[in-house]
Amino acid sequence: KNEVEQSPQNLTAQEGEFITINCSYSVGISALHWLQQHPGGGIVSLFMLSSGKKKHGRLIATINIQEKHSSLHITASHPRDSAVYICAVRQGGSEKLVFGKGTKLTVNP
Amino acid sequence: ETGVTQTPRHLVMGMTNKKSLKCEQHLGHNAMYWYKQSAKKPLELMFVYNFKEQTENNSVPSRFSPECPNSSHLFLHLHTLQPEDSALYLCASSQRTGNTGELFFGEGSRLTVL
Repeated sequence: KNEVEQSPQNLTAQEGEFITINCSYSVGISALHWLQQHPGGGIVSLFMLSSGKKKHGRLIATINIQEKHSSLHITASHPRDSAVYICAVRQGGSEKLVFGKGTKLTVNP
Repeated sequence: ETGVTQTPRHLVMGMTNKKSLKCEQHLGHNAMYWYKQSAKKPLELMFVYNFKEQTENNSVPSRFSPECPNSSHLFLHLHTLQPEDSALYLCASSQRTGNTGELFFGEGSRLTVL
């Protein structure tokens, strides 16, 4: 079992829908990252958070440390949001990020 | 444009070839990383360099040899690779390693080993 589990693995939505991607982890962490990977391969860091909630444009990330759970929300989804969204956690005091397998999001017009 | 540039973007090589992947960051960061992404698997950390010194080698086979001549450049030298080494190799950088290191990734080098 991977230390970082994401759900769902695949998600198809219609343009305008509200989207939620979930990440659960089993280890103590110092930070959690949400990343976006487009089909070409490049990865963009969306959020790094260790508590509470962060918002950037239409994206919102939340984390519940006690429940070891984080969610990434996309409001008013758009076809250009189609990508793989990856959750990664940094274990306390470690250099190493442990990655989830990613959630492939497809937003149809 | 993330400020991290990888070349080449695509590479096909035979098992007896020697090639290198290059990464350059224009962000003034002190830490650089190599990650491997195989099909259907999560990203795996390979190497970490902090101020040009290797601080982590994640049990990577010796056929992968990293080099960090300065804080802005990172190489991955490849020799006698196996077909299972075919993957996307991603370089990343951060201001420094540790808890506050937000990562900036390159576009990746897609490697095919024949």
